[in-house]
Amino acid sequence: AQTVTQSQPEMSVQEAETVTLSCTYDTSESDYYLFWYKQPPSRQMILVIRQEAYKQQNATENRFSVNFQKAAKSFSLKISDSQLGDAAMYFCASSNFGNEKLTFGTGTRLTIIP
Amino acid sequence: GAVVSQHPSWVICKSGTSVKIECRSLDFQATTMFWYRQFPKQSLMLMATSNEGSKATYEQGVEKDKFLINHASLTLSTLTVTSAHPEDSSFYICSASASWQGGTDTQYFGPGTRLTVL
Repeated sequence: AQTVTQSQPEMSVQEAETVTLSCTYDTSESDYYLFWYKQPPSRQMILVIRQEAYKQQNATENRFSVNFQKAAKSFSLKISDSQLGDAAMYFCASSNFGNEKLTFGTGTRLTIIP
Repeated sequence: GAVVSQHPSWVICKSGTSVKIECRSLDFQATTMFWYRQFPKQSLMLMATSNEGSKATYEQGVEKDKFLINHASLTLSTLTVTSAHPEDSSFYICSASASWQGGTDTQYFGPGTRLTVL
């Protein structure tokens, strides 16, 4: 069974600064995917970034990037140039290749300080 | 692309009645759809997985006779909460998964439905 752990219930960052959200996971599978989803106050879950475990290169989407450390089973999200619209709950999740079920972490609430 | 809609966004019903929630993938065919329940300030709890044309697979502890799921087409899945009671009040979220070229699968989420049972 997969587990996903987010050890930071809350984080805050000054607008325009950089923040890193932590995530660790555990899986016995060799092929799997890792995701970061954002849930703003509207409660719409939005895909932020996805990483295939077989790819060594860290995924990047504009201001969002990940630090994927496969051996350490770590998958942190870095948000650069934080904006007010980044304020949300961020969930780390994983799924096995060929099985689309997602395992979610408990979430990190990110506050942006103007 | 990859837009998922959910209807209604908010529903209030009396105890004992049934409520149907629709989940549609608007611009892609969803091989698999998922239904989640989210309590305030908590993570998403998977209720069931449904594949088009087959019976849904329910997670342990989820009453399949209470939460009826139908996945009649590649773009529509419905969740019916039967004989709803106040403890069923929650935020229900659906997601749809599309198998892209290369076999990678990503879930795209609907906006959610807030159910209040009086």
